Amino acid sequence: AQSVTQPDIHITVSEGASLELRCNYSYGATPYLFWYVQSPGQGLQLLLKYFSGDTLVQGIKGFEAEFKRSQSSFNLRKPSVHWSDAAEYFCAVGPLSGTYKYIFGTGTRLKVLA
Amino acid sequence: EAGVTQFPSHSVIEKGQTVTLRCDPISGHDNLYWYRRVMGKEIKFLLHFVKESKQDESGMPNNRFLAERTGGTYSTLKVQPAELEDSGVYFCASSQDNTEAFFGQGTRLTVV
Repeated sequence: AQSVTQPDIHITVSEGASLELRCNYSYGATPYLFWYVQSPGQGLQLLLKYFSGDTLVQGIKGFEAEFKRSQSSFNLRKPSVHWSDAAEYFCAVGPLSGTYKYIFGTGTRLKVLA
Repeated sequence: EAGVTQFPSHSVIEKGQTVTLRCDPISGHDNLYWYRRVMGKEIKFLLHFVKESKQDESGMPNNRFLAERTGGTYSTLKVQPAELEDSGVYFCASSQDNTEAFFGQGTRLTVV
């Protein structure tokens, strides 16, 4: 069955520190991969997406993610975290074959210490 | 350009009552989706419209949920009668094609 796993429910980092949020997926083929962020009181905002080509993708707000087919992973990274990055982050795959359905992970809530 | 808009942002209702959530997609987007996040769990697909037609409603929990998209513009999701387990955040999204969906801010539903 298709699934997305975000093993870290909560992560706390200090401002200025580097960040890596983990995402693993299970799918029969290479899906489209996404990272979304939800800040308090806001909707889901797309950070970046991978469809094909270069496995290192750049997104908004200084985020990047690397697709590793051998590990079925799509980890999100940022070299230096800002206090405004505190939010919940969701990894997703989709659309799945024959449908427009997305499958999301359970989310990782990021706390940033001043 | 306006994004996906959802009303209300919060709703608190008693068990057994009816609630209707509304979603206004981005203008011109034929595809409209409803998703739901129950507290602490993943965001789960409910259904997908193409214009006014339901393409996939495999994620709808049960027949207490009714989604409509008359005229292919805005959509409503009605829960009748609401149960405690229906509490969660309901997200709407729209897309022009199958490459990226744009999400609204969600409606937080609390059933007490």
